[in-house]
Amino acid sequence: KNEVEQSPQNLTAQEGEFITINCSYSVGISALHWLQQHPGGGIVSLFMLSSGKKKHGRLIATINIQEKHSSLHITASHPRDSAVYICAVRIALPGSQGNLIFGKGTKLSVKP
Amino acid sequence: GAGVSQSPSNKVTEKGKDVELRCDPISGHTALYWYRQSLGQGLEFLIYFQGNSAPDKSGLPSDRFSAERTGGSVSTLTIQRTQQEDSAVYLCASSLDAGVGEQFFGPGTRLTVL
Repeated sequence: KNEVEQSPQNLTAQEGEFITINCSYSVGISALHWLQQHPGGGIVSLFMLSSGKKKHGRLIATINIQEKHSSLHITASHPRDSAVYICAVRIALPGSQGNLIFGKGTKLSVKP
Repeated sequence: GAGVSQSPSNKVTEKGKDVELRCDPISGHTALYWYRQSLGQGLEFLIYFQGNSAPDKSGLPSDRFSAERTGGSVSTLTIQRTQQEDSAVYLCASSLDAGVGEQFFGPGTRLTVL
């Protein structure tokens, strides 16, 4: 069983739609990251959060520590949002080294 | 530089050869991480450095893999006697300190073993 599960694996949306990507994890964490990876491109960190909610432009990330669940929302989606979105967690261990455990990613395609 | 850099961006090698991949982290970042992304697979942790020390090598897939970091800056990941299953994108990331703050990723090195 993967320690980090994402859903859906693939998502196709029409431009302008509201999008939600979900992430569940089974371990105690100190932080959760949402990353974006464009085709052939590098990885960009979108959010790092350990509680509550963060917003950046059209992107919103929430986390519920008790339920071990996080969501990434994209409002008014645009074709340039097409990418793979990856959830990653940093395990809470004494002297944690901070290395991340990754979900398998959600491939988002936004059609014009 | 402003971000994490990696070289080469692409490397094609023959099975059995040794390769060296380089990572130059953001200046001042004490923690450095190596990850691997195989085709169709998710990202997996390989090794991390705090300063020049590597407290956790648990992710290295075999003893053909090694890494070092000198001067608390540049790191080199070495793969000896490469195998076809080593083909992947190797990503480096750095953060201010281990377990603290965001990790900033480099563009990766795409390794192809023929």
